[in-house]
Amino acid sequence: GAVVSQHPSWVICKSGTSVKIECRSLDFQATTMFWYRQFPKQSLMLMATSNEGSKATYEQGVEKDKFLINHASLTLSTLTVTSAHPEDSSFYICSAIYSGRTYNEQFFGPGTRLTVL
Amino acid sequence: QKEVEQDPGPLSVPEGAIVSLNCTYSNSAFQYFMWYRQYSRKGPELLMYTYSSGNKEDGRFTAQVDKSSKYISLFIRDSQPSDSATYLCAMSVGNNDMRFGAGTRLTVKP
Repeated sequence: GAVVSQHPSWVICKSGTSVKIECRSLDFQATTMFWYRQFPKQSLMLMATSNEGSKATYEQGVEKDKFLINHASLTLSTLTVTSAHPEDSSFYICSAIYSGRTYNEQFFGPGTRLTVL
Repeated sequence: QKEVEQDPGPLSVPEGAIVSLNCTYSNSAFQYFMWYRQYSRKGPELLMYTYSSGNKEDGRFTAQVDKSSKYISLFIRDSQPSDSATYLCAMSVGNNDMRFGAGTRLTVKP
């Protein structure tokens, strides 16, 4: 149980285009979903926290107009990287928790590798 | 100084060895300590979850927390090639704001 999927697993796009990444909880309803970014050999950095039906809370330094998050249902959250640039190339990972679990018991998706040319 | 320090390695050991992975931290308010395993091109998987100080054992894995020294460890006994992965420590004060270490890359050679 507690499986989180992401789609696509990798994407290559041209600079200036927008990319949408989906995060789905497959066998549970996710009360909260998180979006992280991970650069090579570096820590996971929390970008934003998203609760179903409400606006996402962004971490300091993360541009909310560039990284659009939509948590439309209890099983789906999307991250759209708008007007992507090469410096946005990274590994984007989502995670989710469900009712009865603490924040610390997050279930992570497999990640999406974004390469912006 | 980073809040969570973790030696990125790489660490290479022979099969069957005992592996010791460590993290230090600066925020004495951290109460929850986690270890995640991350295989290449995959998301992290929760391995161990500990509250406050002490030891926790799960099969071949033992997590230790020493809050007085601000030091946590993960021990892997009888290491296997399938244990080859990056191990991330993580910690939080409460139900928010989890901080991750950079991860230690481990290779267990057959």
